[in-house]
Amino acid sequence: GAVVSQHPSRVICKSGTSVKIECRSLDFQATTMFWYRQFPKQSLMLMATSNEGSKATYEQGVEKDKFLINHASLTLSTLTVTSAHPEDSSFYICSGSEGAPYEQYFGPGTRLTVT
Amino acid sequence: SQELEQSPQSLIVQEGKNLTINCTSSKTLYGLYWYKQKYGEGLIFLMMLQKGGEEKSHEKITAKLDEKKQQSSLHITASQPSHAGIYLCGAGNLGNEKLTFGTGTRLTIIP
Repeated sequence: GAVVSQHPSRVICKSGTSVKIECRSLDFQATTMFWYRQFPKQSLMLMATSNEGSKATYEQGVEKDKFLINHASLTLSTLTVTSAHPEDSSFYICSGSEGAPYEQYFGPGTRLTVT
Repeated sequence: SQELEQSPQSLIVQEGKNLTINCTSSKTLYGLYWYKQKYGEGLIFLMMLQKGGEEKSHEKITAKLDEKKQQSSLHITASQPSHAGIYLCGAGNLGNEKLTFGTGTRLTIIP
């Protein structure tokens, strides 16, 4: 149980375009979803926390207008990278939590390459 | 903010040998999570520790949290190629669900 999927797994886009990444909890209701970013050989950096039906809370230094997060239902959150640039190329991972004891279940990640 | 330091950063171990990975926090840990990540993939949950002195085991992996709740260790016995990957410790925060991750330990198992 507790499976999280992400789509797409890999995406290549041109600079200036927008990309949407979906994160779905398949067998549980994720009241909270998290979006992380991971650079090569580095740890995960939390970008934002989103609760279903409310605005996402962004971590310091993360541009909310560039990384649009929507958590419209208890099983779906989306991250849209707007006007993507090569420096946005990274591995993006989402996770979902159904509440206490706050265990997070992670998706397989999406590798974004901006050319 | 809480910082988690893992050591070593990378580890090369011969198959069959034991190994230990450490995770040290700058603050008291309210929940300590261990995850494993294969390169380019998501995280697999291994164990969660909450109480000082707590120890949990699953198959050949044992995780411990010290009494002061500022340090955790992950011990693998008789390592196998399937143990290779990146091990991440994550600290839970009191009152919310956010996790702060450690710097990671890259484990390589050689025949």
